[in-house]
Amino acid sequence: GAVVSQHPSWVICKSGTSVKIECRSLDFQATTMFWYRQFPKQSLMLMATSNEGSKATYEQGVEKDKFLINHASLTLSTLTVTSAHPEDSSFYICSARRLGDMNEQFFGPGTRLTVL
Amino acid sequence: RKEVEQDPGPFNVPEGATVAFNCTYSNSASQSFFWYRQDCRKEPKLLMSVYSSGNEDGRFTAQLNRASQYISLLIRDSKLSDSATYLCAVIPISSGSARQLTFGSGTQLTVLP
Repeated sequence: GAVVSQHPSWVICKSGTSVKIECRSLDFQATTMFWYRQFPKQSLMLMATSNEGSKATYEQGVEKDKFLINHASLTLSTLTVTSAHPEDSSFYICSARRLGDMNEQFFGPGTRLTVL
Repeated sequence: RKEVEQDPGPFNVPEGATVAFNCTYSNSASQSFFWYRQDCRKEPKLLMSVYSSGNEDGRFTAQLNRASQYISLLIRDSKLSDSATYLCAVIPISSGSARQLTFGSGTQLTVLP
């Protein structure tokens, strides 16, 4: 149990386009999902915390109008990178916390975004 | 100062060696501590939680030193398959009810044949 999927696993897009990444908890309900970004040889940096049915909480320095997060159900959160630029190229990873579990986060396999 | 700091390595050790990683955290009120393993181009996977009394899982031992604000991971009899990046993670008190993880930068380990 506790499987999280992400789609797509990789995407290449042109500068100026928008890209949507989906994060799904496949076999559990997730009240809270987290979005991270990881640049090469760096650690995971939390971008935002997403709670079902409410607005996401963004970390300092993360533009909420550029990184749109929607958490419409207990099993799905989406991250849309709007007007992507080459500096947005990164590994985007989501994680989900199971309803009632205050500790463990289950990570998706990540989405590698390359903006040309 | 970063909330969570790790020696980035890389650590190159021969098969069978014992290797230890440390991770320091700045917030003395931090609540929970973890070690994750991340393979290249993959998501992090939970290796073990770290408890105040220390805990062991096979060849892996994790310890917490609250007085000095660090956690450690010891790998005994290292295997080639242990080659990965090891990330420590902390849930700081500042994360409130969200209980967000703050990761260290990771320590790269390569076990050599």
